Amino acid sequence: SYVLTQSPSVSVAPGQTARITCGGNNIGSKSVHWYQQKPGQAPVLVVYDDSDRPSGIPERFSGSNSGNTATLTISRVEAGDEADYYCQVWDSSSDVVFGGGTKLTVL
Amino acid sequence: QVQLVESGGGVVQPGRSLRLSCAASRFTFSSYGMHWVRQAPGKGLEWLAVISNDGANKDYADSVKGRFSISRDNSKNTLYLQMNSLRAEDTAVYYCARDAVYCSGGSCNPRGWFDPWGQGTLVTVSS
Repeated sequence: SYVLTQSPSVSVAPGQTARITCGGNNIGSKSVHWYQQKPGQAPVLVVYDDSDRPSGIPERFSGSNSGNTATLTISRVEAGDEADYYCQVWDSSSDVVFGGGTKLTVL
Repeated sequence: QVQLVESGGGVVQPGRSLRLSCAASRFTFSSYGMHWVRQAPGKGLEWLAVISNDGANKDYADSVKGRFSISRDNSKNTLYLQMNSLRAEDTAVYYCARDAVYCSGGSCNPRGWFDPWGQGTLVTVSS
């Protein structure tokens, strides 16, 4: 089955750039979607199809995908960005796969 | 705006059954595939099941195949998850989510992202 690997945690100071990675075998050939989940809340889509943003999501959120790594980049990080972030793909053998999640801490 | 509201969670004994519902509103329910996803306490997201817009196609995660069943009633704009033979490890918040793929006619296989999600319903399996 297909596996997505995320670092458990990332810490960044306010105003800096956070990069959250999602590793998978040849993930660059798949479409990657990213979700933000704040404590006690449902997940919210922040990036879809590698790099597109839903309406209402700030331009500070961007994504890229190549080779074996997809990356969610959050520029000018704010305290309100502190949350868990999950990557997701569809795989022919596993259907839907989520990464294990990355906890973003704003210092 | 598009809304999904789950219900039916609660405390249930091991081995018993429970049916969750997800009421959809403010979009054409019959044009979208739907998913169930769960999250155990302090853990990550686990995809469980998907159903096509017309209910013709369903698929399940190996962890629940044979025990859980996804279904939908497009006349009631409602998605269901029938959970049988529940175990302690099924304790989780259960979310329904809409697939991104819009189906303009016939049967379409969901292959997109999940947006939006419901607020979740907590299922606790305990004696």
